[in-house]
Amino acid sequence: EADIYQTPRYLVIGTGKKITLECSQTMGHDKMYWYQQDPGMELHLIHYSYGVNSTEKGDLSSESTVSRIRTEHFPLTLESARPSHTSQYLCASSGTSGGRETQYFGPGTRLLVL
Amino acid sequence: AQRVTQPEKLLSVFKGAPVELKCNYSYSGSPELFWYVQYSRQRLQLLLRHISRESIKGFTADLNKGETSFHLKKPFAQEEDSAMYYCALSHPGNTGNQFYFGTGTSLTVIP
Repeated sequence: EADIYQTPRYLVIGTGKKITLECSQTMGHDKMYWYQQDPGMELHLIHYSYGVNSTEKGDLSSESTVSRIRTEHFPLTLESARPSHTSQYLCASSGTSGGRETQYFGPGTRLLVL
Repeated sequence: AQRVTQPEKLLSVFKGAPVELKCNYSYSGSPELFWYVQYSRQRLQLLLRHISRESIKGFTADLNKGETSFHLKKPFAQEEDSAMYYCALSHPGNTGNQFYFGTGTSLTVIP
């Protein structure tokens, strides 16, 4: 079934640790995105990719990095986690249907940095 | 520049009452407008988009280009409508469509 997967769903980690949030999609989409969202708050775009080997920073400055080696995979990495990184991270992909583009979201990863 | 504005952060209505979630946008071209919904403990999902002119779960939204608005309406609110609602705008960019989300409105339907 076409979907967007994020792992882990929940992560509690200590300060200074390196972490990678995984995102995979079987939607066949070229475009993928990472958003940061605090509970009940707005979405902030932190990274996006329009295809393999293409990555761009979003509107919100982030210390995270991303890579896009495969179309279906768009992992996000924090080299040294800090409490300020505590948030929910949403992965999305977008595709065109009937000439119209729509974004679809994964279930999110809730990150708590102690 | 803020492209999508949702003036109400919180909105409470009684069950059976009409509900309207406001959304205004700023874009000079012809954008596409969407409403996304996030129910408790569920992922963000598309509710409807203006191009489809459809009614989903009793909700409708009309694009008013003169007022640059895309308000979401439902004549009779239900408890299961309680959720976070995000208005979003999409327009063509250099390398594809750009998406912008509003700050969201938390809707609570009171039994």
